[in-house]
Amino acid sequence: DADVTQTPRNRITKTGKRIMLECSQTKGHDRMYWYRQDPGLGLRLIYYSFDVKDINKGEISDGYSVSRQAQAKFSLSLESAIPNQTALYFCATSGSGADGYTFGSGTRLTVV
Amino acid sequence: RKEVEQDPGPFNVPEGATVAFNCTYSNSASQSFFWYRQDCRKEPKLLMSVYSSGNEDGRFTAQLNRASQYISLLIRDSKLSDSATYLCVVIRDNDMRFGAGTRLTVKP
Repeated sequence: DADVTQTPRNRITKTGKRIMLECSQTKGHDRMYWYRQDPGLGLRLIYYSFDVKDINKGEISDGYSVSRQAQAKFSLSLESAIPNQTALYFCATSGSGADGYTFGSGTRLTVV
Repeated sequence: RKEVEQDPGPFNVPEGATVAFNCTYSNSASQSFFWYRQDCRKEPKLLMSVYSSGNEDGRFTAQLNRASQYISLLIRDSKLSDSATYLCVVIRDNDMRFGAGTRLTVKP
């Protein structure tokens, strides 16, 4: 089993729909992150959490929300999806930032 | 100006070539540095950490120049399997910033 699991792997949704992307990890890490990747822009941080009760906005949090349901679970929601949220989304975990991150396999989201 | 900048490439090199990538970062308070490798449509994976003293792992050598605020990655004796996008990563205050990546294609 993968250390960091994302579901779904691929999703096509319509504009205005609410969608949730889920992430779970078995590494026992406290820190979890959501990134989106767009061609030519690299990975950009959406939200991050250092503990179950800790939620922080990243560079591009508008239009997104998150929930840290447990140490091992961190979900990302798009309340009302729009086409420019079409991207590849990655969840990541770390024990401490200095050690680098472990990424999930990604969720390819298309908003039509 | 982006906080972490990389030449997007693509770099197209023959097998056996030596190739070097550079990355610059704008914030002098940055604390930790990494190179990640990302294959097409896959997740980034840690390639190696980068230290001022240099870090070598087989055919790969990473170097940090704090004074000039740049990071380099050298790949010697390129293999077909080295074809990927290489991401420069900088951490400051637990905030991890990625370069947009440099694409490498190694050809037979």
